[in-house]
Amino acid sequence: NAGVTQTPKFQVLKTGQSMTLQCAQDMNHEYMSWYRQDPGMGLRLIHYSVGAGITDQGEVPNGYNVSRSTTEDFPLRLLSAAPSQTSVYFCASSPMTGSTYEQYFGPGTRLTVT
Amino acid sequence: SQQGEEDPQALSIQEGENATMNCSYKTSINNLQWYRQNSGRGLVHLILIRSNEREKHSGRLRVTLDTSKKSSSLLITASRAADTASYFCATGEPGSNYKLTFGKGTLLTVNP
Repeated sequence: NAGVTQTPKFQVLKTGQSMTLQCAQDMNHEYMSWYRQDPGMGLRLIHYSVGAGITDQGEVPNGYNVSRSTTEDFPLRLLSAAPSQTSVYFCASSPMTGSTYEQYFGPGTRLTVT
Repeated sequence: SQQGEEDPQALSIQEGENATMNCSYKTSINNLQWYRQNSGRGLVHLILIRSNEREKHSGRLRVTLDTSKKSSSLLITASRAADTASYFCATGEPGSNYKLTFGKGTLLTVNP
């Protein structure tokens, strides 16, 4: 299994541009989520999904959209990039069976908005 | 808002020594997890402790949980240079074990 994959690894955007960060997992996990990590901070939850067709907002959803059309994919869209969205973005997934609640993280996308 | 707060923010020790990191949280939880992040990488799950558990072991890791003080500690025994990483606690909120809230982390440096 490849686990959780994210593309691209690095991206530079200009203010006002839009883009989609891709996230895919091949473990058939129901739960998927997006976090952002800023220097000296922990991870903050942006959006999450408990299955195809079901998404909800996390702690910092403004400026981001998500959709979940398949179990495998959970893209994050930046509608109009702002310098405040410069961050490292992590996608994670978790099976919603059993009782480990462990989340599996992708390698991250480092985004710079100028 | 951050639920967990780790202490200390940074810790530097020699190989072979034990490392202890603490986490405090504010509201009731269902479970508390610890994750490790190597520089420039994604997070890796280390261990989970449930709210009805007081102590848990996994290899060189020992986690304790005191729900009355809303705190947890992670002990790494006989540390190695490869343990150098940032360590984060994450709490699962009541009603959702998957919606995690992370602390700011402890940067552990193990010197050879």
